[in-house]
Amino acid sequence: ETGVTQSPTHLIKTRGQQVTLRCSSQSGHNTVSWYQQALGQGPQFIFQYYREEENGRGNFPPRFSGLQFPNYSSELNVNALELDDSALYLCASSLAGGLETQYFGPGTRLLVL
Amino acid sequence: QKEVEQNSGPLSVPEGAIASLNCTYSDRGSQSFFWYRQYSGKSPELIMSIYSNGDKEDGRFTAQLNKASQYVSLLIRDSQPSDSATYLCAVNDPGGDYKLSFGAGTTVTVRA
Repeated sequence: ETGVTQSPTHLIKTRGQQVTLRCSSQSGHNTVSWYQQALGQGPQFIFQYYREEENGRGNFPPRFSGLQFPNYSSELNVNALELDDSALYLCASSLAGGLETQYFGPGTRLLVL
Repeated sequence: QKEVEQNSGPLSVPEGAIASLNCTYSDRGSQSFFWYRQYSGKSPELIMSIYSNGDKEDGRFTAQLNKASQYVSLLIRDSQPSDSATYLCAVNDPGGDYKLSFGAGTTVTVRA
C-alpha cells in the first residue's frame, strides 16, 4: 500500500451535478497528478499540481478543475457531470520531476447516471 | 494515431512460461518509459522503469527499449499465477516531466 489516500472510494451522481474528489499525498511528496481511467482503458492525464499551481493539463475541458493545498493534498472538481465522466479517478503523488517516484492512490470510482 | 499502443490481449500463458508484452509509442522525444501492473479493482503500481536503449532486468522482469524503433517491451519469466493482472505501458511527455501517457493495457492470465 502506498501512502496516498483518496476519498470517497465510490460515488454515484446524476448528469448535470457537480462532484469533488479528494487526495492526500504521500508524506514528503509535493506534486499531485490526477488521471481518469475509463473501463478497459489506460489512465488519461487530467492535470498536475505543484506548489498549489497547475503545472500541466491534459485534453480535458475546463469543467474539470483542481486545487492543491499547502499540505500538498488536492481536490478534483468536475462540474456539469456527463455520463462519459463515469470512470475511476486516480490521484498520484510524487516529488517534483520524479515520475519514478509517482505512487497512485486507490482511486475513486464515479458513476454518473 | 494513439500515443501509446500495446499488443491486444488477453494473453494467457502457462505457469512457468515467459509472458511477452509489447508497446510502441509515437513521440520520438520521449525519454522515460514505465511498466505498471494493475490488479483488477486496484490502482496501478510501478514495476519497471527504463531510460536507455537495451535491456534492464529486475528479478523475473526484463524491460527492453529500442528508441530507434520506438518500441518497449516487458518480459515476465517463470510466470506465476500472482502475475495475472493488466500491464500498462506508460511514456513521458517530452514537453515536460509532468505527464505520463498510458497504453490501454494488456491483460495477462497465468494458468496454473
